[in-house]
Amino acid sequence: DVKVTQSSRYLVKRTGEKVFLECVQDMDHENMFWYRQDPGLGLRLIYFSYDVKMKEKGDIPEGYSVSREKKERFSLILESASTNQTSMYLCASSLLAGVVYEQYFGPGTRLTVT
Amino acid sequence: GQQLNQSPQSMFIQEGEDVSMNCTSSSIFNTWLWYKQDPGEGPVLLIALYKAGELTSNGRLTAQFGITRKDSFLNISASIPSDVGIYFCAGLNYGQNFVFGPGTRLSALP
Repeated sequence: DVKVTQSSRYLVKRTGEKVFLECVQDMDHENMFWYRQDPGLGLRLIYFSYDVKMKEKGDIPEGYSVSREKKERFSLILESASTNQTSMYLCASSLLAGVVYEQYFGPGTRLTVT
Repeated sequence: GQQLNQSPQSMFIQEGEDVSMNCTSSSIFNTWLWYKQDPGEGPVLLIALYKAGELTSNGRLTAQFGITRKDSFLNISASIPSDVGIYFCAGLNYGQNFVFGPGTRLSALP
C-alpha cells in the first residue's frame, strides 16, 4: 500500500513564526504536491515537485516555499505565518506509469495560526 | 481555469439504499479519480478511470468514465453507515495538474 505521512496532525503557531510541514512517501514516486483545503474553496495547489530539487508554483504559492532534497521527502515552509494561513494542509504523491496516473494523499496537517 | 461541478452537493443516505453522484466539466479529461474524505483526514483514493466508457468497481462502489470524457459517475450500492463522508472527483489531462471538484457530502438520515 502507498503510504504518505505528514509530520504533524495538528499544529498551533503564532503570527510571524517560521513553520515547517514535512511529508514523506514510501513508494518512490517522482511527483509530490502540497495543497491547502478550506471550506467552500476546495483543494488548492500550493507547490509541486516532479523531481529532487525541482519545484513548480501551483495556484497559490504566495507566502510559501518548498524544499525537496530527497525523493521521498517534500517540505512546505511558511516563512512568516499569518492568520490567513490557518488551514488544512494536504501532501500528496503520484504515480505516473504509462497511462496510469494516481495521486495519493497524506492524513493532513491542521494548522492554526494565532 | 478548468472547473469541475459535482452533483448533488449533499444528500442524506439511508442504510441499504443505492447512491449516485456525478462530476461534470466543460473540458475533456484523460483520467478521472474518485476520492472519499472523512472529517479531519486526508482523501483516500477509491477508483481510477483511464478510458472513455470504462466502468470500474471497488467493492460496493462503481465508477464510470463518461463517453464524452467530460463527466464521470460514482455509484454506491447498499449503503452502510461508514459510507458517510465527502466524495471528491478529480480530472487530469496529461502534462497538467489535477483539477478537483467541490465534493458531494453524504450524511446519514437521523
